[in-house]
Amino acid sequence: AQSVTQLDSQVPVFEEAPVELRCNYSSSVSVYLFWYVQYPNQGLQLLLKYLSGSTLVKGINGFEAEFNKSQTSFHLRKPSVHISDTAEYFCAVIKTGGFKTIFGAGTRLFVKA
Amino acid sequence: DTAVSQTPKYLVTQMGNDKSIKCEQNLGHDTMYWYKQDSKKFLKIMFSYNNKELIINETVPNRFSPKSPDKAHLNLHINSLELGDSAVYFCASSHGDFNQETQYFGPGTRLLVL
Repeated sequence: AQSVTQLDSQVPVFEEAPVELRCNYSSSVSVYLFWYVQYPNQGLQLLLKYLSGSTLVKGINGFEAEFNKSQTSFHLRKPSVHISDTAEYFCAVIKTGGFKTIFGAGTRLFVKA
Repeated sequence: DTAVSQTPKYLVTQMGNDKSIKCEQNLGHDTMYWYKQDSKKFLKIMFSYNNKELIINETVPNRFSPKSPDKAHLNLHINSLELGDSAVYFCASSHGDFNQETQYFGPGTRLLVL
């Protein structure tokens, strides 16, 4: 079975600073990986996903993530955050050919002025 | 135009009542889902339908029953509501070969059982 661990439950950061949100997964088979963002009182929306090919994936709002198979990680980064990036971020995994997406527990990014 | 919509947005009810949450998507997607998000923001799949056929049926109490009258709708009926059912319920949809496809989420239904 697959599992996802988001190593930080909360990440406070100052505006315009860089940020990294960490995600590790475990799976004995190949997987697809996703990052979703949830703004307050809203549903989730996709930031980016890794299916195959280049391990560096670029998403919306200036976010990117790097798939590292040897370390089974898919960390999310942004070089300069804005106040509007304050939200909950979820890493998710699904095995290729599978039916069920497993979400991590979420990381709350709090951007301070 | 809202892609995935849910009604109601808020639902406050007494223990023991029966309630339904409706979900509609206008994206032409084949697959729809119900997720439960608890107070700690943990998100867990409950059900998934592909072309009106039940694909995922997680270990949820049988008080929860999904119904998909057509590809664009997936409703969730909950019997004999309990305090522990209080949560935010999200509907989502995705296209075709759904395991690699993006899921599009509704705004959520905030259920509070008193």
